Amino acid sequence: SQTIHQWPATLVQPVGSPLSLECTVEGTSNPNLYWYRQAAGRGLQLLFYSVGIGQISSEVPQNLSASRPQDRQFILSSKKLLLSDSGFYLCAWNLGRHTGELFFGEGSRLTVL
Amino acid sequence: SQQGEEDPQALSIQEGENATMNCSYKTSINNLQWYRQNSGRGLVHLILIRSNEREKHSGRLRVTLDTSKKSSSLLITASRAADTASYFCATDANDYKLSFGAGTTVTVRA
Repeated sequence: SQTIHQWPATLVQPVGSPLSLECTVEGTSNPNLYWYRQAAGRGLQLLFYSVGIGQISSEVPQNLSASRPQDRQFILSSKKLLLSDSGFYLCAWNLGRHTGELFFGEGSRLTVL
Repeated sequence: SQQGEEDPQALSIQEGENATMNCSYKTSINNLQWYRQNSGRGLVHLILIRSNEREKHSGRLRVTLDTSKKSSSLLITASRAADTASYFCATDANDYKLSFGAGTTVTVRA
């Protein structure tokens, strides 16, 4: 069966520090991978998605970047965090071109102080 | 940008009652999906309804889709305390991407 792992679960970082959130999917090949951000009490904002190794599409210009160094690994990074980067970050995956069910990780809560 | 908009923002009901929430969207879609999120957790897929379908059932869930009105509804029958969560609709505006609404927070009182 397929599983998705996301870490760390909780992170408190000072403004200006770097960030690395990791996401790994097991039990499937060539998944589409996604990073969403959820502000408190809000819906999900799509940040990045990837349909293959090294292929990254950015949805919102911002202080973040994403990389896919391996087929089932998706990394969200920042060189210098801003206060506005605080939020709940969710990794997700699915298969195929026409968007079907998304499978989400448990999320990473980032607080920037 | 958010395509789906849920209504109401919050809903409080007694255990055993039905809960209904609505979703409106702006552009044509291939499918519409509903997800549940327990506090502080990831989202869990509940049901997918395709643009050529009008109604779908899954256990205590009933989803309707009206493409002429660009709207969908999610009905949870005989609610339980475990149904307390936020519910989101999501639409596929373009290939590969799902757009989520702001969600409806449902509280089921014992």
